[in-house]
Amino acid sequence: EPEVTQTPSHQVTQMGQEVILRCVPISNHLYFYWYRQILGQKVEFLVSFYNNEISEKSEIFDDQFSVERPDGSNFTLKIRSTKLEDSAMYFCASTPGQGRTGELFFGEGSRLTVL
Amino acid sequence: AQSVTQLGSHVSVSEGALVLLRCNYSSSVPPYLFWYVQYPNQGLQLLLKYTTGATLVKGINGFEAEFKKSETSFHLTKPSAHMSDAAEYVCAVSGDNAGNMLTFGGGTRLMVKP
Repeated sequence: EPEVTQTPSHQVTQMGQEVILRCVPISNHLYFYWYRQILGQKVEFLVSFYNNEISEKSEIFDDQFSVERPDGSNFTLKIRSTKLEDSAMYFCASTPGQGRTGELFFGEGSRLTVL
Repeated sequence: AQSVTQLGSHVSVSEGALVLLRCNYSSSVPPYLFWYVQYPNQGLQLLLKYTTGATLVKGINGFEAEFKKSETSFHLTKPSAHMSDAAEYVCAVSGDNAGNMLTFGGGTRLMVKP
């Protein structure tokens, strides 16, 4: 069964360092998302991406964050200068089409620890 | 805007007992509602969803949920808990737009005692 894959599963970094989290969405999906979950808190929407551009983003997704689809398979989330409060589990998701009925297919997450 | 509240961050039941996990929502448009399950070190897996039509929806692993507009609720139930049901259950509502921005509840950890 097709699945969303994320790498790395866990990354530890020093505050101020750049981090890139990678995702391979399901191959025929067109819409891609990043969510995050700080330990003990709710899963929060960060950004959605379609047709090589951001379609929606939350207040969390400030200038420190960027997303990119550098090739036909990968979807990346970059944090330019990590802060302690960026420590969280980051989930990538994809869906084949637009519309509110969409089931989001989630990856297993990348745990980011900022020291 | 929309929000989701899950009453009870932890629920413990005995094996074979009824499972009831509560979810209340608010939404400025007719809601589309989802329950996801998260096993340790895994991603979020869709259990079931309500969009339109029948208000009682059935999902995987014997779970079902009923949309009650008057109560703004979408509680998740299962008649008989199994040990393998132990996991985090997260309720979500879709955004009031054409996209798939989900707003999640805080999650409920279900523990099943032998």
